[in-house]
Amino acid sequence: NAGVMQNPRHLVRRRGQEARLRCSPMKGHSHVYWYRQLPEEGLKFMVYLQKENIIDESGMPKERFSAEFPKEGPSILRIQQVVRGDSAAYFCASSPGRGKEGQETQYFGPGTRLLVL
Amino acid sequence: RKEVEQDPGPFNVPEGATVAFNCTYSNSASQSFFWYRQDCRKEPKLLMSVYSSGNEDGRFTAQLNRASQYISLLIRDSKLSDSATYLCVVRAVGTSYGKLTFGQGTILTVHP
Repeated sequence: NAGVMQNPRHLVRRRGQEARLRCSPMKGHSHVYWYRQLPEEGLKFMVYLQKENIIDESGMPKERFSAEFPKEGPSILRIQQVVRGDSAAYFCASSPGRGKEGQETQYFGPGTRLLVL
Repeated sequence: RKEVEQDPGPFNVPEGATVAFNCTYSNSASQSFFWYRQDCRKEPKLLMSVYSSGNEDGRFTAQLNRASQYISLLIRDSKLSDSATYLCVVRAVGTSYGKLTFGQGTILTVHP
């Protein structure tokens, strides 16, 4: 059973470009979470999605960041007009979605390391 | 004040030593508590959940004190493979139950 998949594992962008990070949850999981880890800092929650629904986006920056989890395909975290401060590791996690909403163990993917030049 | 605070360490201990990590959290409405470990900036992996009655998993023992808003992790008979960053994690009632709040992590190095 494959774990949470993220791609690309490393992404280099120049300031002003767009970054698209993909996350495929574990098989059978329908809930996805995105976290960001800035250099020398802890992980920070960004957004919690179920299929076609954003449940909690309280950690998302107000501008330039968006996330989706379509009915088919992976979840996408999109960062428009990237700046150097966006350089970080972005981790996706998933959970089955069968228990009480959100109250399940989250399994993390290997992360995407974004570097903005 | 940070929502979850940990002593960043580093803790450098010899093999076989017992080491304890502490963590405090600020949100009294927090519901669930966990210890994760993270190796060399790889993905966090769940080490154990923490229950009010305290719980043990092999060489690892976790304790929770809700009154003091304090969580601990004890590692006995340390192994070289225990070297990692240990993350104290809290889930609080909020916009949803999906948000995990992570401490900055405590770095442990176990040496021969």
